[in-house]
Amino acid sequence: AQRVTQPEKLLSVFKGAPVELKCNYSYSGSPELFWYVQYSRQRLQLLLRHISRESIKGFTADLNKGETSFHLKKPFAQEEDSAMYYCALSVDNQGGKLIFGQGTELSVKP
Amino acid sequence: EAQVTQNPRYLITVTGKKLTVTCSQNMNHEYMSWYRQDPGLGLRQIYYSMNVEVTDKGDVPEGYKVSRKEKRNFPLILESPSPNQTSLYFCASSHSGQPQHFGDGTRLSIL
Repeated sequence: AQRVTQPEKLLSVFKGAPVELKCNYSYSGSPELFWYVQYSRQRLQLLLRHISRESIKGFTADLNKGETSFHLKKPFAQEEDSAMYYCALSVDNQGGKLIFGQGTELSVKP
Repeated sequence: EAQVTQNPRYLITVTGKKLTVTCSQNMNHEYMSWYRQDPGLGLRQIYYSMNVEVTDKGDVPEGYKVSRKEKRNFPLILESPSPNQTSLYFCASSHSGQPQHFGDGTRLSIL
């Protein structure tokens, strides 16, 4: 079965603390994974794509095929990082069919 | 400016009254999709389209119709809306193999 699991509904940390948002996937093919972010009352925006291996706004994510994970990490959280984060899996190799996780709300306290 | 535009942004209507949510993109993208976002369930794909006149069901297509007569437009049609279709809806578009660009969302309330 094709599935994306984000086990934490809410993650609350203090400013300056490290952050790790977990994402696990189930997919028999070669996975293409994304992290999208949704700030309050705004549209979803692409944060990271695993094949580009970039660091955006200090966030990184590494694909671990052995553990079928794509966890999102940031060493020092900022208040402006507070948002909803979604992990997504492309299952058609064209990016047209995405399966999203349930989302994790990150709250960074001052 | 590159964008995905949805209309209306908000709509309150009643059960059974047909409605259409429009989606338009100005990036000449081949792929377009509709999602619904519900608390605790994340985003679920309703329908997607690979190009003009080519559409396919997503994970939750029941109660919805789509059409893709032109490349830039991908309307979502609820022929007979029901209260369980109350949700936040997002349209998205992309080039093949590229990340999706999302619209601002349409909040539908069906009484």
